[in-house]
Amino acid sequence: KAGVTQTPRYLIKTRGQQVTLSCSPISGHRSVSWYQQTPGQGLQFLFEYFSETQRNKGNFPGRFSGRQFSNSRSEMNVSTLELGDSALYLCASRWASGGPTYNEQFFGPGTRLTVL
Amino acid sequence: GDSVTQMEGPVTLSEEAFLTINCTYTATGYPSLFWYVQYPGEGLQLLLKATKADDKGSNKGFEATYRKETTSFHLEKGSVQVSDSAVYFCALRELERGAQKLVFGQGTRLTINP
Repeated sequence: KAGVTQTPRYLIKTRGQQVTLSCSPISGHRSVSWYQQTPGQGLQFLFEYFSETQRNKGNFPGRFSGRQFSNSRSEMNVSTLELGDSALYLCASRWASGGPTYNEQFFGPGTRLTVL
Repeated sequence: GDSVTQMEGPVTLSEEAFLTINCTYTATGYPSLFWYVQYPGEGLQLLLKATKADDKGSNKGFEATYRKETTSFHLEKGSVQVSDSAVYFCALRELERGAQKLVFGQGTRLTINP
């Protein structure tokens, strides 16, 4: 079974631009979550999507948004990029439909975003 | 809100040494607890988990026991290998209205020297 895939793996943008990152969950997984990893703040939860609906959002400004499609693939968007947005963005998927492993999240390799 | 505190790193050990990485948490109720590992250039991999008090999670020689009295979930391994060099994250799961999020500790970088 293929794991969680994220594209692109690396991205360089300049301040003020916007960026869209993509995540394809494990087949059959219906929930997708996004996390930001930085050396200073560590791993922080951005949001979770399930059945195309955002179910939970972390403490991030409105510049950070996301969506989920009917095939469970998800995208996150960051507008008006700032230097502090440079980070590894990790996507995770889970089954979220009950069962003994419903709460286990499987992470993708991440997208490394650098803002210059 | 809930939080997780891990021991300060980095940690450097010799091969075959005993490993302990301390983790304590603050939470309402009794959340599920996890240890994740991140190898260079990769995402997070679930190493082990425990879903209730006194549960012991184990995998690849690593163990951790959910201690509600001390709100701890320390990671241990009896004999480390060079291949165990990675960053280790302790985490708890928050549930809110069916939505789930993981709250992570700051991570502990482990280096094993041959």
